[in-house]
Amino acid sequence: QQPVQSPQAVILREGEDAVINCSSSKALYSVHWYRQKHGEAPVFLMILLKGGEQKGHDKISASFNEKKQQSSLYLTASQLSYSGTYFCGTVKAAGNKLTFGGGTRVLVKP
Amino acid sequence: GAVVSQHPSWVICKSGTSVKIECRSLDFQATTMFWYRQFPKQSLMLMATSNEGSKATYEQGVEKDKFLINHASLTLSTLTVTSAHPEDSSFYICSAREMGQQETQYFGPGTRLLVL
Repeated sequence: QQPVQSPQAVILREGEDAVINCSSSKALYSVHWYRQKHGEAPVFLMILLKGGEQKGHDKISASFNEKKQQSSLYLTASQLSYSGTYFCGTVKAAGNKLTFGGGTRVLVKP
Repeated sequence: GAVVSQHPSWVICKSGTSVKIECRSLDFQATTMFWYRQFPKQSLMLMATSNEGSKATYEQGVEKDKFLINHASLTLSTLTVTSAHPEDSSFYICSAREMGQQETQYFGPGTRLLVL
């Protein structure tokens, strides 16, 4: 089953913060975050493997709440380069396939 | 590191012809490669999982005779769209999972297919 992402879209001014959520109806083994720019392939941002884990990639960080079966991606002090569509991908068990959420379109304006 | 290439990046073909798309892991060995399809403004939909030396596993609703997948080596997987029709027009993206690295997938740049 496809994880649910929210919001579907967000518009930010440069320097503002945003949170993207990814929820699953099933227990998760791992959560992956990708960013895709228009016409390009998704770029790997980070993977979270353990409940309670937090990671960072530049000023983008994420958390994984295993019990709640959800993950959140935090865009801090957003930059113009953060614009794109963010996808979470979830894995139910080690070695299983990645199932992507519907995506969150982020537009950072000057 | 962890670079995946795809060729061609663009292809236009006539209806009824076959098109082959290559996916290569350039600096690592990939025991597993994945093929996705993406329509405009939509998410990535997994078509099939390809394991080196064995038959691909197709997702429900994906015709295995239409989308032929071959994973001949640890660095190369191919997707052949046979007897292509206009509705096969889409953005096809492959990803590769590094041997020994169980989880992270690295994506190729994608191939845009237009069937006339």
